[in-house]
Amino acid sequence: GQQVQQSPASLVLQEGENAELQCNFSTSLNSMQWFYQRPEGSLVSLFYNPSGTKQSGRLTSTTVIKERRSSLHISSSQITDSGTYLCAMPLNTGNYKYVFGAGTRLKVIA
Amino acid sequence: EAAVTQSPRSKVAVTGGKVTLSCHQTNNHDYMYWYRQDTGHGLRLIHYSYVADSTEKGDIPDGYKASRPSQENFSLILELASLSQTAVYFCASSDAAQLQDTQYFGPGTRLLVL
Repeated sequence: GQQVQQSPASLVLQEGENAELQCNFSTSLNSMQWFYQRPEGSLVSLFYNPSGTKQSGRLTSTTVIKERRSSLHISSSQITDSGTYLCAMPLNTGNYKYVFGAGTRLKVIA
Repeated sequence: EAAVTQSPRSKVAVTGGKVTLSCHQTNNHDYMYWYRQDTGHGLRLIHYSYVADSTEKGDIPDGYKASRPSQENFSLILELASLSQTAVYFCASSDAAQLQDTQYFGPGTRLLVL
């Protein structure tokens, strides 16, 4: 089965609304990362967040290791936030082979 | 900022033909990776390398070879391209096999096999 499941699969927001993206892992979790894929396809790392909460501007990531989940909160969404948000986890401790979720496709409209 | 470039940016290939995708990084990173992304899916690891002249199989290596002739360059080779290999291919690099080390991605190569 799929080791990394993301929800929702897609989301449409009005500019200024908040969003909460979820990532659930089927195996024990020791670390994870959030990535953003721009509409034209390029990828950037948003957060390395093994546990707890991290914030960067309007983005907040919270990882709960025991519950095998991580969330990405986007506050006051902007049109430029549109794109796909991917979460990924390493397969094992110390293993740099990451498994990716299918992503959440976000569209922010005016 | 880490710089990873890929060439070509897009390619149309014929079934059964040979395709070589190239990746170059200028950041002295040890690790390099090749992923493929299919429409509506996340990334899947094809091959990776942690040192020049050595490559390792990822999760979906069948039908692909990889080559790491130098620390800066990492190629993905499709000896006999097939329709199922139509996808977007991403190269990435990272400094070391530390979980917190960010992977820096190239812009991607769109491959269409006809």
